[in-house]
Amino acid sequence: SQQGEEDPQALSIQEGENATMNCSYKTSINNLQWYRQNSGRGLVHLILIRSNEREKHSGRLRVTLDTSKKSSSLLITASRAADTASYFCATWLSNNNDMRFGAGTRLTVKP
Amino acid sequence: GAGVSQSPSNKVTEKGKDVELRCDPISGHTALYWYRQSLGQGLEFLIYFQGNSAPDKSGLPSDRFSAERTGGSVSTLTIQRTQQEDSAVYLCASSLNRAEDTQYFGPGTRLTVL
Repeated sequence: SQQGEEDPQALSIQEGENATMNCSYKTSINNLQWYRQNSGRGLVHLILIRSNEREKHSGRLRVTLDTSKKSSSLLITASRAADTASYFCATWLSNNNDMRFGAGTRLTVKP
Repeated sequence: GAGVSQSPSNKVTEKGKDVELRCDPISGHTALYWYRQSLGQGLEFLIYFQGNSAPDKSGLPSDRFSAERTGGSVSTLTIQRTQQEDSAVYLCASSLNRAEDTQYFGPGTRLTVL
């Protein structure tokens, strides 16, 4: 079963708009990571937020983490057509020794 | 520096054949991971190697799947007696030290079982 679940499953916006994606998880974590995937091949790491952090920024990306609600959000500001991709959250389950990825949000940015 | 590489990039095989997929992690990375991704789906974790320690194989989908990592570097994922449901993209990743570190992914191997 998925540890992380993203919503929405798909998001379509116009260039210049902001995109917000959410992720929920079930167990305690040390950190949560967001990845991006183009065209179903290799993933690219975007940002890692630790359990003692509430917010983190990287360029046009802003990630929040609420450990009390076991949820995280990824905000992409001023989106561009090149941001079109699938976005996944991921957490490491130390009890199971495995990495759990959510099902992903498919973002489409229309030029 | 060089990233994670995987070979072959594409593999088409007949049902019942064995296949071997290879992963070269980033030099110096001690942790290595294998995932499977079916079309339009998320990533399914298969197995994780930490240094020279024996891996936990419980994530492998069946006993037809096996993986090894020689000398703490290159890894191979072997699927015996392939089935059509094995068709997927197989992704490899490595990270510097701990399992929770940032993972760097290879481009994947697309396996098609006819």
